[in-house]
Amino acid sequence: DIVVTQSPLSLPVTPGEPASISCRSSQSLLHRNGYNYLDWYLQKPGQSPQLLISLGSSRASGVPDRFSGSGSGTDFTLKISRVEAEDAGVYYCMEALQPPYTFGRGTKLEIK
Amino acid sequence: QVQLVESGGGVVQPGRSLRLSCATSGFTFSSHGMYWVRQAPGQGLEGAALIWYDGSKKYYADSVKGRFTVSRDDSKNTLYLEMNSLRVDDTAVYYCARITGASLDYWGLGTLVTVSS
Repeated sequence: DIVVTQSPLSLPVTPGEPASISCRSSQSLLHRNGYNYLDWYLQKPGQSPQLLISLGSSRASGVPDRFSGSGSGTDFTLKISRVEAEDAGVYYCMEALQPPYTFGRGTKLEIK
Repeated sequence: QVQLVESGGGVVQPGRSLRLSCATSGFTFSSHGMYWVRQAPGQGLEGAALIWYDGSKKYYADSVKGRFTVSRDDSKNTLYLEMNSLRVDDTAVYYCARITGASLDYWGLGTLVTVSS
């Protein structure tokens, strides 16, 4: 089974500052079709999770361009260029290569 | 618009059974795989059961394998999760999610299952 490890588990950020979350997989998530099967989700307080980034770097519909995903193979990063108050919540990465998919443990982004 | 509405949660004793439903609308249900994801109180997300768009393949987390069964009724645009031999550690909010490509692009609001004596 694929193990997905996120870091850090907690991330306090001042509004306007950048933020970065790492996700590492125990196996390569690069499919032979050239896509990396790694997604990012955000769960805001009291809400259901929402898709932010699919296939490693493709922003979902309606996601602000301050969010970006990068990486390939086993190492991935979610970056927020300038954090806003509405970005608070728990961020999860999920490998989508091997069903049933595996989530990381989550990174709680706290606004200072 | 796409809607996913879970139901069927509640309080149940250990060892008993429960069936969850996820009623969908706003999209062609039979064209999408579907996923049950659960979240224990104060914990992270755990994928529980996944079913392909045509029902031909089903996948389960090790923690629920042999006890949970995922199914779908395309005539009713509804996803199901039959949960047997429930344990205290199955207590969680259960979300259904639509799969597009391999991503979970729409989620329901969830239904709470509490397993307690």
